[in-house]
Amino acid sequence: QKEVEQNSGPLSVPEGAIASLNCTYSDRVSQSFFWYRQYSGKSPELIMSIYSNGDKEDGRFTAQLNKASQYVSLLIRDSQPSDSATYLCAVNKAAGNKLTFGGGTRVLVKP
Amino acid sequence: ETGVTQSPTHLIKTRGQQVTLRCSSQSGHNTVSWYQQALGQGPQFIFQYYREEENGRGNFPPRFSGLQFPNYSSELNVNALELDDSALYLCASSLAGTSGTETQYFGPGTRLLVL
Repeated sequence: QKEVEQNSGPLSVPEGAIASLNCTYSDRVSQSFFWYRQYSGKSPELIMSIYSNGDKEDGRFTAQLNKASQYVSLLIRDSQPSDSATYLCAVNKAAGNKLTFGGGTRVLVKP
Repeated sequence: ETGVTQSPTHLIKTRGQQVTLRCSSQSGHNTVSWYQQALGQGPQFIFQYYREEENGRGNFPPRFSGLQFPNYSSELNVNALELDDSALYLCASSLAGTSGTETQYFGPGTRLLVL
């Protein structure tokens, strides 16, 4: 079992719709959770971080964390073609230690 | 832009050669982490440097080594290059803390091709 798992996609979403991305992790001591967006040929760009159970909203993005189920998700509302990218889920188990990434979910937003 | 810079942007080497990649951290950050991202995969943690010492290492062989300098910049050295070392090498900077919520910001990466 991989430490951090994501559906590789592609997740095809009509423009204006909601994209829902999921991520599960295996280590219960995980403390902090991050979503990065990566355009083809570019480096990961931080979108959201979440540390406590519940929802966290930032603009069109909402991250959801459920530590009991070891599950973190990302919702992208009003999806735009510019949101087409690979979204990486990353988990940090300890203070300032290392990020463990999932394989990423490729999102395609169709006009 | 994160303020993290890396050089060079692209590099082509042959098997068996050695390579040095460089990273300058974001202003105010004192920790540098290095990741390897193979095509189509998520980044994998190589190691982290804090206060010029290695502060955690992933599942990479000793031919992957690094340095951190007093100005917090860092180098990644790879000896005896293998074809599988072809990847995007990412440097991430952060500010060390104990809260467990430290955020890492990535540089643009160095794309290494080993022939």
